[in-house]
Order: sequence, then structure tokens, then C-alpha cells
Amino acid sequence: GENVEQHPSTLSVQEGDSAVIKCTYSDSASNYFPWYKQELGKRPQLIIDIRSNVGEKKDQRIAVTLNKTAKHFSLHITETQPEDSAVYFCAASIGGKLTFGQGTILTVHP
Amino acid sequence: DAGVIQSPRHEVTEMGQEVTLRCKPISGHDYLFWYRQTMMRGLELLIYFNNNVPIDDSGMPEDRFSAKMPNASFSTLKIQPSEPRDSAVYFCASSRQSSIQYFGAGTRLSVL
Repeated sequence: GENVEQHPSTLSVQEGDSAVIKCTYSDSASNYFPWYKQELGKRPQLIIDIRSNVGEKKDQRIAVTLNKTAKHFSLHITETQPEDSAVYFCAASIGGKLTFGQGTILTVHP
Repeated sequence: DAGVIQSPRHEVTEMGQEVTLRCKPISGHDYLFWYRQTMMRGLELLIYFNNNVPIDDSGMPEDRFSAKMPNASFSTLKIQPSEPRDSAVYFCASSRQSSIQYFGAGTRLSVL
């Protein structure tokens, strides 16, 4: 089955800095790559997603890039704010079935 | 829409007891997923349904776990008998045509 590796497991940045989280996947049939943000005690919530026919997508301070050849995708957050502090999960999907990475705990220090 | 609704939000039970978790997906969604989240194992897919039919239950840990979806607006995940290692947060999610998955608020299960 699909296997998703996510790095780093923890990331600490100063407010205003950029944060980058990277994921790799194993199954080239994966065609949909969402990113979820989960605040403490809350549900995972989609923040951005990308499909395999697109190389990059941006939504305000958040961007995702996809390299199908290398089977990796990344989340970029610019101008980080304390409210960006949370756990971020990447995922890869085949036929609607999501396989999640292990998560990255992002801490943004004021 | 109220989103995916799960009940109960919290469940505390004793080892050996039966536990039933409930989920109401978003109206019109044809996929329903059950996940388990723990610190050690992260977010694991247990089982998912398409049009009320179980498609993949390879993530169900063992025979003590079972899931049903009797109609498009209701699903249950049952653990019988429960064990302390089943303690986790269980999420239900739904999607339309295998697109974006929307998660419920989760059920925090503690088995003593």
C-alpha cells in the first residue's frame, strides 16, 4: 500500500519567518495531495490541496508544490503568525483513500 | 450543513465492555471514513464506505472491531470487547466523489 513520510516531526520558527514541511510518497498512482491543520483537541481541517496534474498551488500565505517524478510534495507557509502553531499533516490519495504522514508540530514564537 | 456529526464526544468505559461510536456524514456525501488517532501511530484509516458499501477494511485492527453503514446518513463503529489499547480519538470523515474529506469533531475513547 501507499506509504507517506513527513519531515520534520517538529519545527520551531520566529513570527514572520517561513516554514517548510516536506512529504514523500511511494505509490505513483496517488493523484491527490491534501494538507490538514490540526489544533490541539480539534479536528483536522483542510488548508490546501493539490492534484497530480498541477505543480504548484498558492492560497495567500500558504503554497504547496508537487514533484511527481520525485514523488514528493511540500507545504510552504510565509510570514508565519502565532496562530499558525498546530500539527500539520500531509496525505496522499488513491481513489479517495487517504494515507497520512506522521505530522509536523509547528510552533511559531512571537 | 452542520458538518460531520459524531457521538458521543467522550466515552469512558471499562475493559471488556462494548463501545459503539456513531457518525452522521454530510448530506450528499457518498464516501465515509473511520480513522483512529494516537500519539504512537498517528492518523490511521480503519475502514471506508462508498454508497454505504464497505470498500476497504484492511485497517481494522482485529475482529473486535466492526463497522456498519445501514443508510447514507448513519454509520457505527463498534468495539467488542474493548481493551485499554483501544484508547484513542476516533474520527469519522465524509467526502463527495472521493474529493475533500471533512472530519467530525471526534470521539475520545478511554478504556480503563
